This record gives sequence, structure tokens and C-alpha cells, in this order.
Amino acid sequence: NAGVTQTPKFQVLKTGQSMTLQCAQDMNHNSMYWYRQDPGMGLRLIYYSASEGTTDKGEVPNGYNVSRLNKREFSLRLESAAPSQTSVYFCASSELGGGRARFGGVSGELFFGEGSRLTVL
Amino acid sequence: GENVEQHPSTLSVQEGDSAVIKCTYSDSASNYFPWYKQELGKRPQLIIDIRSNVGEKKDQRIAVTLNKTAKHFSLHITETQPEDSAVYFCAASGADKLIFGTGTRLQVFP
Repeated sequence: NAGVTQTPKFQVLKTGQSMTLQCAQDMNHNSMYWYRQDPGMGLRLIYYSASEGTTDKGEVPNGYNVSRLNKREFSLRLESAAPSQTSVYFCASSELGGGRARFGGVSGELFFGEGSRLTVL
Repeated sequence: GENVEQHPSTLSVQEGDSAVIKCTYSDSASNYFPWYKQELGKRPQLIIDIRSNVGEKKDQRIAVTLNKTAKHFSLHITETQPEDSAVYFCAASGADKLIFGTGTRLQVFP
């Protein structure tokens, strides 16, 4: 059982280049998330997918796009990378489903991938 | 949307002492408050969580308290050990997403 797998683990880009971060989970979870982690800023939500077929903006969506390819996979795309997007990116998943009280019902635990360190020069 | 503030940003304690980290949240509809621990170079992992119908929850040396009226919750670690050294994040559920605080770096000195 691999859990949440992210690729690549490291990437260096030049300003203006594009790239896609891939994420896959094998826990049959409904919800998937992309966070970025910067020093002193904590974990900030970029985009999330509460269920297969839906995606929504998080706290810092500008400059990113996402695709929930199927229940297992959730990718994050940088169309034109900028130095401000230098960060560690974490994908996460949880078994939560729909509804306002979803975190109060079934397990709300987020399972994180190992992270992807992206540097934009 | 939900906003979570966390204090302090750094905390240093002697081994055996207690550590307390505090968080406040803005959305009164939030009903789930987890705490995550991130060791250096590792991924965040859940250590304890509390739901809004409970005021306190304990798990061995860690405990979390929730004051819904004041919209704040706290993590308490007793009898700290060097392996407790890590960054700790609080979070609150805003609708269908989890919003994190900015983290507290805890250092436990032998």
C-alpha cells in the first residue's frame, strides 16, 4: 500500500516554463488536495477536489490549474512558472465525501504525499 | 472564508516540561480541528483531532482543548521529549476543506 505518491520529488524550472505535478492515491479516497508550504506561511491550500469530477479553488489558486483525472489521480499544473511559485508542494487525500459537516462525520484525516520541491529561477 | 491563526511561531522547552500551542479560527461553522506534526524533511502527519461536540481529548502525553464560544483551541504536550521536536500545525475545517495555521516550531532541549 503506497498511500499518496507524488512525482517528481524535485524540479528546477526557468521562469515562464510549464510543468505538471502528478499525484495518485491508492486508498479509494474521495477528496484530494494540493497545498504549498513556504517558510513562515504554513500549509496553504491551492486547489482541492471534494469528489471525482469536481474541483474548487483554495486560498492561493492564482497561477495554477488542476485536473481530477479519475478517483485516484489529481494533477497540478503551472502554465507559466514564476519565482514566487518556488515552494514545496504537498498532495493529500482523505476519505471525506460531500456535505458541510463532512469533516465531522467520517474520518477527516489527511494523508500527505512526500512532497515535491520546486525551484523557479 | 476560514482563517486560522497560530501562536507562538517558535517554542523552546526543557525536556520534561510542558508545551502549549494556541490557535484561533474565524468561521463559527467549523466543526473539526486536527493537529499535525511535521518532522524535518518529512510529510505532515495527524497526531490528534477534536470535533466541535467535544471540549477536550487526550492521547497519552498530548491533549487538545476546544472553546467554541471563544473560537480557539490548544495543543498541550506534557513531559516533553527530544523526539517531540518538530513543526506543529493546527487546522480547522471550513466547509469541505482544511485550512492550516502557520505552524509552531517546537524545540525540546535535553
